[in-house]
Amino acid sequence: DAGITQSPRHKVTETGTPVTLRCHQTENHRYMYWYRQDPGHGLRLIHYSYGVKDTDKGEVSDGYSVSRSKTEDFLLTLESATSSQTSVYFCATSNRGTNINSPLHFGNGTRLTVT
Amino acid sequence: DQQVKQNSPSLSVQEGRISILNCDYTNSMFDYFLWYKKYPAEGPTFLISISSIKDKNEDGRFTVFLNKSAKHLSLHIVPSQPGDSAVYFCAAPWANNLFFGTGTRLTVIP
Repeated sequence: DAGITQSPRHKVTETGTPVTLRCHQTENHRYMYWYRQDPGHGLRLIHYSYGVKDTDKGEVSDGYSVSRSKTEDFLLTLESATSSQTSVYFCATSNRGTNINSPLHFGNGTRLTVT
Repeated sequence: DQQVKQNSPSLSVQEGRISILNCDYTNSMFDYFLWYKKYPAEGPTFLISISSIKDKNEDGRFTVFLNKSAKHLSLHIVPSQPGDSAVYFCAAPWANNLFFGTGTRLTVIP
């Protein structure tokens, strides 16, 4: 595996509170991704990073922001959590992105519940 | 709009028999496809891939078939084993994203 650690593994928070999820990798991969998994939708891309301080939006980015100040860390922040953001969040990494023969490696996920 | 579709949410197969998981896609520009396997409380793990220049790729008990004209791919597992019980996702990369299907839960009955 690519040595990906997500923290926390589980979190319950209240509507309107800020939440930050952390992804840490030890493989020095250039690309990092945040996905959410919901029933009936599979996994959907929230944001991704193609280098330190270089990030871009995915297909479901509203309500989320990200930061990458070091190669190994990629943070996902929910500025004001809503119940629709209750989901399982997965971080993934890749050395060469998604457009060539380079499978993503995933962490074990963070289960977030917004009450 | 779902660009990658898995229309069977679940599949049950007897141990030793063949498991066939199906996937359809709508974007004719996809040129590479992957299958991921996911166990509960774990992240997806890469299983097998296929390029659009091929119609078949085999890796041990796992074979993926691609029918470009039908925009359809399938994953064959033979023989199926209880440890294969998991959720399987097909996926296709496009525009810095990996588009996933909704997954098929495979249960292999001993």
